[in-house]
Amino acid sequence: GENVEQHPSTLSVQEGDSAVIKCTYSDSASNYFPWYKQELGKGPQLIIDIRSNVGEKKDQRIAVTLNKTAKHFSLHITETQPEDSAVYFCAASNFDSWGKLQFGAGTQVVVTP
Amino acid sequence: DSGVTQTPKHLITATGQRVTLRCSPRSGDLSVYWYQQSLDQGLQFLIQYYNGEERAKGNILERFSAQQFPDLHSELNLSSLELGDSALYFCASSPAGVVNEQFFGPGTRLTVL
Repeated sequence: GENVEQHPSTLSVQEGDSAVIKCTYSDSASNYFPWYKQELGKGPQLIIDIRSNVGEKKDQRIAVTLNKTAKHFSLHITETQPEDSAVYFCAASNFDSWGKLQFGAGTQVVVTP
Repeated sequence: DSGVTQTPKHLITATGQRVTLRCSPRSGDLSVYWYQQSLDQGLQFLIQYYNGEERAKGNILERFSAQQFPDLHSELNLSSLELGDSALYFCASSPAGVVNEQFFGPGTRLTVL
């Protein structure tokens, strides 16, 4: 089955700096890669996703890149703000598996003012 | 607010007991997914229903079962509870025709004493 590895497990950045989280996946059939943000006491919130026919997607301060050949994808957050502090999860799935998500272990991001 | 509702928010029970967790998907969503989040296992897919039918199963224990009703709400039943079942249980729903975008509810925190 699919295996998703996520690094780093913790990330501390100064407000205004950029943050990058990287994930690798094992199943070459995976074709959908969402990123979720989870704040304390809340459910995961979908913040951006990318499908395998696209190499990069951007939404304001966040962007995701996908390298299908290397089987890795990354989340980039620019101009970080204290409210970006949360746990971020990457995930992978494919349409044949009815969309069940295989999650990475998560990255605790702390943005210090 | 994702539009997915889960009840109860918290549940405290004893070993050997049985509990039922309830999920109402976003209006119009036909797919419901159940995930378990624990400190040691991370976010793990349990089971998925689409329009009342089971579609995919993860590493769901035999003591656990689920169903989706005609009004599309879903229930996750956990029986013969063990200490290790203590976790957050999330429900996610997916729009009809878009298999992979999943929107998570706020979760149910289960504590087994």
